[in-house]
Amino acid sequence: AQSVAQPEDQVNVAEGNPLTVKCTYSVSGNPYLFWYVQYPNRGLQFLLKYITGDNLVKGSYGFEAEFNKSQTSFHLKKPSALVSDSALYFCAVRDSTNAGKSTFGDGTTLTVKP
Amino acid sequence: DTGVSQNPRHKITKRGQNVTFRCDPISEHNRLYWYRQTLGQGPEFLTYFQNEAQLEKSRLLSDRFSAERPKGSFSTLEIQRTEQGDSAMYLCASSLAVDNTGELFFGEGSRLTVL
Repeated sequence: AQSVAQPEDQVNVAEGNPLTVKCTYSVSGNPYLFWYVQYPNRGLQFLLKYITGDNLVKGSYGFEAEFNKSQTSFHLKKPSALVSDSALYFCAVRDSTNAGKSTFGDGTTLTVKP
Repeated sequence: DTGVSQNPRHKITKRGQNVTFRCDPISEHNRLYWYRQTLGQGPEFLTYFQNEAQLEKSRLLSDRFSAERPKGSFSTLEIQRTEQGDSAMYLCASSLAVDNTGELFFGEGSRLTVL
């Protein structure tokens, strides 16, 4: 079985400050890890993924995420938050041996205040 | 690339009625997924297709739910004898499966309200 935990329902940061949205996962095989963002009344959009290689992956809109195998974590980060980053963020995991099922966390609402 | 398209965007129905949702994936994508999302929850996997073959179906999916992808292009999700608990956003996603690493491209969803 595979699972994802996003321990924070909400993260609040001031514009210009760094942000972190946390994600931990559980999977039997090797993990493929993804971050998606959902803006109001819009579909989920892909931000970045970790498949293999460098533990720090960079994605869209200046976001990056760090894969930590020992802590089974894949936290989303950005050095300087923008008000426009305010949205709902989902972490997802897929077992490398199972093409089909991506399991999502319950999401974290990020609010960036001016 | 016109993206993933879902229709209808909203459906209100009475308990016991049947409903059908349609998903048109990105044209070159061979994998198509259905998810369900309720308020405050992440997307929950329902089923997925590779081309026209349905390869996995969630054990949570009751027999009232059926999905098809007859020609490996668009897909339909039918819910028979709807119940109030079926009220949710139904999401379709597609991906290009060269290997298992591809990200999902989501449509904007079809919102079902069962009265």
